[in-house]
Amino acid sequence: AQSVTQPDIHITVSEGASLELRCNYSYGATPYLFWYVQSPGQGLQLLLKYFSGDTLVQGIKGFEAEFKRSQSSFNLRKPSVHWSDAAEYFCAVDLSGNTGKLIFGQGTTLQVKP
Amino acid sequence: GAVVSQHPSWVICKSGTSVKIECRSLDFQATTMFWYRQFPKQSLMLMATSNEGSKATYEQGVEKDKFLINHASLTLSTLTVTSAHPEDSSFYICSAGGGSYEQYFGPGTRLTVT
Repeated sequence: AQSVTQPDIHITVSEGASLELRCNYSYGATPYLFWYVQSPGQGLQLLLKYFSGDTLVQGIKGFEAEFKRSQSSFNLRKPSVHWSDAAEYFCAVDLSGNTGKLIFGQGTTLQVKP
Repeated sequence: GAVVSQHPSWVICKSGTSVKIECRSLDFQATTMFWYRQFPKQSLMLMATSNEGSKATYEQGVEKDKFLINHASLTLSTLTVTSAHPEDSSFYICSAGGGSYEQYFGPGTRLTVT
C-alpha cells in the first residue's frame, strides 16, 4: 500500500546543532513531496516541496531537503536549529500529481534544548 | 501567501447535536478544498474532497451521512458533523489549493463532544 513513514516520532536537539528529519515513501513513481511544520494554534505551513529537477531543494526558515530516488526518501535538514524551530513536522506526498490530496506521515515532534 | 480561515476555532457541543465548521479561502478562489481530521499526537487523515458546485468525494471509511460537506461558493466549504458523539471529538483541518502545487491549510477547529 502507498504510505509515508517518518521513523522518528520525537527528536530532541540542542540549539545550534544540526537537524535531520527522516521521511520515506512507498510508491512506484516519484510523487510530489512536501514538508510542513505545525505549531500550536497555527495552520500547517509549507517548508518546501519537490516535484522534479534538482534533488536538493531549499525552503523557508533555513530548511532544505534532499530527494533520493534510490532510497525513496525525502529527508529534511537544517544546519543550525533555533529554539523557535520546536514544532511538529510532517512529511506529505501527493501521489496523484497535483490533486492536492495529501497523505501525511505520522509526524515528528522536534524539541530544542537551550 | 494565501490565507485560509476556519470558524470556529474551537467548539464544545453535546452528544446528539450537530456542529458546522466553515473553511474560507480569503484571498483566492478554490474549486476544490480538502477536509482532514487529526487526533491528538497523530497525523492528518484525509476525510473528503470538497468540490464547488458538486458532491463531495469521501475517503474510504468516512461516513458521508455523518460528515456533510457543502461547497457553496469558490471561497467557502462547510463541514457539518451530524448527531455528534464523543468519538467525533477531534481536530478538523481544511486546505485549499492556491496554485503552484501548494495547499494552504486553515488553523483548524477543535471539536469536543460531551
